[in-house]
Amino acid sequence: DVKVTQSSRYLVKRTGEKVFLECVQDMDHENMFWYRQDPGLGLRLIYFSYDVKMKEKGDIPEGYSVSREKKERFSLILESASTNQTSMYLCASSPPSWDATNEKLFFGSGTQLSVL
Amino acid sequence: GNSVTQMEGPVTLSEEAFLTINCTYTATGYPSLFWYVQYPGEGLQLLLKATKADDKGSNKGFEATYRKETTSFHLEKGSVQVSDSAVYFCALRPQTGANNLFFGTGTRLTVIP
Repeated sequence: DVKVTQSSRYLVKRTGEKVFLECVQDMDHENMFWYRQDPGLGLRLIYFSYDVKMKEKGDIPEGYSVSREKKERFSLILESASTNQTSMYLCASSPPSWDATNEKLFFGSGTQLSVL
Repeated sequence: GNSVTQMEGPVTLSEEAFLTINCTYTATGYPSLFWYVQYPGEGLQLLLKATKADDKGSNKGFEATYRKETTSFHLEKGSVQVSDSAVYFCALRPQTGANNLFFGTGTRLTVIP
């Protein structure tokens, strides 16, 4: 089974801190994604990466950056955390070319980040 | 642009009741459509999918039919169980140009014994 592992289940940080959220997948997937999940807003894409060292902005990239130095690892960075970044963060991965039999995202179990 | 509009919750049903969660979408061409489910304390997992018009996706007693004419992909189950309590997300992947999914806002379902 594909496993997408997020390093922390719960995280509490102070305003202004630099925060790293780590995600590792074990299926050699090219595509990796960071979403944030907020009540009433669903999932919104922050950044995604389709290859090592490649990244693309999603719908809400402001205040975030990402790093993909190795294929299996995709890190989300909050350069200076703010209270409005308190949220559930979900990492996902997928193979490069989806087809009808293989079309889905594999999600980690999420990191609940609280910024105080 | 691409978007998904999903029935607002929360939805509370008694065990063995019939479930419908409405989902409509906006997209060009023929997107792929999905329902994902998130059980308490877990990430999302794929429940079912349909990749072309008139396809019916099904899994664990849940069904959804891809209706191009009404741009809909409503989720149904004939008899819900307490274990179905979760948050359900409708999503689409555009036909071309994107590898990511566009999600609805989610619908929380609670099934009471």
